[in-house]
Amino acid sequence: ETGVTQTPRHLVMGMTNKKSLKCEQHLGHNAMYWYKQSAKKPLELMFVYSLEERVENNSVPSRFSPECPNSSHLFLHLHTLQPEDSALYLCASSQDRVPPNQPQHFGDGTRLSIL
Amino acid sequence: ILNVEQSPQSLHVQEGDSTNFTCSFPSSNFYALHWYRWETAKSPEALFVMTLNGDEKKKGRISATLNTKEGYSYLYIKGSQPEDSATYLCASYNSGGSNYKLTFGKGTLLTVNP
Repeated sequence: ETGVTQTPRHLVMGMTNKKSLKCEQHLGHNAMYWYKQSAKKPLELMFVYSLEERVENNSVPSRFSPECPNSSHLFLHLHTLQPEDSALYLCASSQDRVPPNQPQHFGDGTRLSIL
Repeated sequence: ILNVEQSPQSLHVQEGDSTNFTCSFPSSNFYALHWYRWETAKSPEALFVMTLNGDEKKKGRISATLNTKEGYSYLYIKGSQPEDSATYLCASYNSGGSNYKLTFGKGTLLTVNP
């Protein structure tokens, strides 16, 4: 139990569907992150939120829309996805975004498959 | 573009063997080096965060060293056990302007045979 919970664990959706991934952390952390891991690629940072404010968007297509309603919850809204978006999506949190010498705590991820 | 390289990509050892892996990272604008252990179907778990040149950290049978001037870190496992089987990820924090960016390597997949 890492203190970071992601739902659902698995998601299969068509390209025209709209779905959302949810992340919740029970650690009292101020920073939350979305990562994508595609096959044979390293973890890629997608979005960073610090104190509920988006502070980084690493050139992620607009079909991915993050939302951070409070410091404990992070969502990733998905719409009109492409087959290449099939991947493992990991959520993480850390006490603060800076200084970056704090470990990140990860959820188990959502395995997303686009039909 | 920052590149973090890990070698080897995969490694098979026998129970009881000691082993080590390498992580190479950009030495410019360096701030911190993270090591994570990622077991299949679980979440990545932080092992170490190191910031200072010459830093050495230890956790049980696992230890790590850091050379920030040449941009490399070694992870050592002494007396490997089957439960050490996992992917070991390193990630480098480098700054660019006012932003810090954590860049991960692809990982080293360790399999320890009983």
